[in-house]
Amino acid sequence: EIVLTQSPGTLSLSPGERATLSCRASQSVSSSYLAWYQQRPGQAPRLLIYDASSRATGIPDRFSGSGSGTDFTLTISRLEPEDFAVYYCQQYDTSPVTFGGGTKVDIK
Amino acid sequence: QITLKESGPTLVKPTQTLTLTCTFSGFSLTTSGVAVGWIRQPPGKALEWLTLIYWDDDKRYSPSLESRLTITKDTSKNQVVLTMTNMDPVDTATYYCAHETTVTGGVFDYWGQGTLVTVSS
Repeated sequence: EIVLTQSPGTLSLSPGERATLSCRASQSVSSSYLAWYQQRPGQAPRLLIYDASSRATGIPDRFSGSGSGTDFTLTISRLEPEDFAVYYCQQYDTSPVTFGGGTKVDIK
Repeated sequence: QITLKESGPTLVKPTQTLTLTCTFSGFSLTTSGVAVGWIRQPPGKALEWLTLIYWDDDKRYSPSLESRLTITKDTSKNQVVLTMTNMDPVDTATYYCAHETTVTGGVFDYWGQGTLVTVSS
């Protein structure tokens, strides 16, 4: 199965700053079948990005995804207070679907 | 509006069988392309995909748990049922059911609130 490694484990930033989160796959994810989810404390995950760079319905344009092959990035251009959460990447190219270990974005 | 909600026991004993029900609305599991999956999350840990059932009754299972999992659907009740046998304390987790987007398979666009299942004697 494809193993996804997210870095850093924790990102400490201030509101208004730019956040760059990394997701590296153990083998190539073809057709960029990679998604990103946000999970706030006590809540279910929320789909942000699919197909590496397509924003899900209702997701603000400060969230953007990029990458291909084995290296993918989620960028939050300017952090809002509600963006401090845990972010997971997920590949759906190869069965079984797998998730990364998560990156926590917390307030500096 | 799509909604999903998980229900079932909050506490099970080791070796027992867990049965969870996902009751959904806003879509039909008889519609071509629709699928519902289960994902779990141990406390403080990452997400783990478990299983998926399609509108045509095709099913997918996590290879590491396949021998313990069964997924079924009842389209008349708009429900999907997850059964996991031989529960162990390491199976303590929040269990989510989720709707797989029809835009691109494998991505979950609507999630239930989750239900915490604790395995303890």
